[in-house]
Amino acid sequence: KAGVTQTPRYLIKTRGQQVTLSCSPISGHRSVSWYQQTPGQGLQFLFEYFSETQRNKGNFPGRFSGRQFSNSRSEMNVSTLELGDSALYLCASSGSSGTGDTQYFGPGTRLTVL
Amino acid sequence: AQKITQTQPGMFVQEKEAVTLDCTYDTSDQSYGLFWYKQPSSGEMIFLIYQGSYDEQNATEGRYSLNFQKARKSANLVISASQLGDSAMYFCAMRGVNTGGGNNLTFGTGTQLKVEL
Repeated sequence: KAGVTQTPRYLIKTRGQQVTLSCSPISGHRSVSWYQQTPGQGLQFLFEYFSETQRNKGNFPGRFSGRQFSNSRSEMNVSTLELGDSALYLCASSGSSGTGDTQYFGPGTRLTVL
Repeated sequence: AQKITQTQPGMFVQEKEAVTLDCTYDTSDQSYGLFWYKQPSSGEMIFLIYQGSYDEQNATEGRYSLNFQKARKSANLVISASQLGDSAMYFCAMRGVNTGGGNNLTFGTGTQLKVEL
């Protein structure tokens, strides 16, 4: 099985712009979660989509949004970029939602905001 | 609220030796899952091992084992026979049921492991 894929791998944007990141989960997985990783804040949960519905959301401003398509692919969007949005954005997929259901991560998208 | 604590920012180990990476957790959930991930410098998070809160035996996956002590709320990762390729950041993570039915991993701050010749 192919793993989780994320595109693009690297992005450079300027303050005020918006950006869209894409994630394709492992085939058959219906849950897609997004995380932000920064040196200062570590790994933080952004949101999760399951069957095209946002099921869970972390503590991030409304500039961060996402969606999921019928094929389980997910996108996240960040509007009005700030310098502090520079981070590694990781997407993870899993089959369902049990406590033991493992999340498998993609390679990440490294976003730099100038 | 859930919390994961990893108190070792960095660890060194010699090749072929065993190493233990510490992880303690705090949660009010009765049912939860504990995970360890490895993150090489490339950035990808690689799943290593999982332990359920009701599992009576410690989890093992090849050279990885999880020393689960529920009463102490600890879930230490043991890597046996370390290899140079084990050099990476290691994260302990937890998922509980008190997340509105969704997937939400809480991560620790990580331990940077360096394997030396």
